[in-house]
Amino acid sequence: SAVISQKPSRDICQRGTSLTIQCQVDSQVTMMFWYRQQPGQSLTLIATANQGSEATYESGFVIDKFPISRPNLTFSTLTVSNMSPEDSSIYLCSGGPGSYEQYFGPGTRLTVT
Amino acid sequence: GQSLEQPSEVTAVEGAIVQINCTYQTSGFYGLSWYQQHDGGAPTFLSYNALDGLEETGRFSSFLSRSDSYGYLLLQELQMKDSASYFCAVSRAGNNDMRFGAGTRLTVKP
Repeated sequence: SAVISQKPSRDICQRGTSLTIQCQVDSQVTMMFWYRQQPGQSLTLIATANQGSEATYESGFVIDKFPISRPNLTFSTLTVSNMSPEDSSIYLCSGGPGSYEQYFGPGTRLTVT
Repeated sequence: GQSLEQPSEVTAVEGAIVQINCTYQTSGFYGLSWYQQHDGGAPTFLSYNALDGLEETGRFSSFLSRSDSYGYLLLQELQMKDSASYFCAVSRAGNNDMRFGAGTRLTVKP
């Protein structure tokens, strides 16, 4: 298993600004992912964070809006750019040996006003 | 395309057994995973099935039938703390991603 920390845990931001969320894993993991989740709903995959190369984005998510970095096997960042109220959500990072077994961080609760 | 179906809600009493079903349609199916999420918490990995059959981990078991595109999570000796949302998720061969179902909200009553 892996222990994952995220920061910030929550933030309130003004529209038009950007927020960078950090994700740290306590051990090297092959795969890291970023998800978005509305309360009471399922998880929506934003992108797969690839170490040393550009992230792989899901349909509906673009690099200009959600730039992702993964400089090594234990760390990744997600930036939510030019925020609007529609970006208000919980953002979760995960990591693990493969997509089939993932360990999640506690999430970042983002509110955009 | 892909789809996963699981019941939206299940209610059971303490000490009982409950089964949460998951049917899926996906190309290149590789395996089925289950996650638990308490309100306000992060999803927690429970189990993974790549082969047909039953995997047992304590009070929880997970089953997969690849020919039926079907799996289930079985929770035995239910406890109040098992009240949570349970998600099935499929992983695909050749794709480094996983798709989650809509989730089943389990309520355990005394």
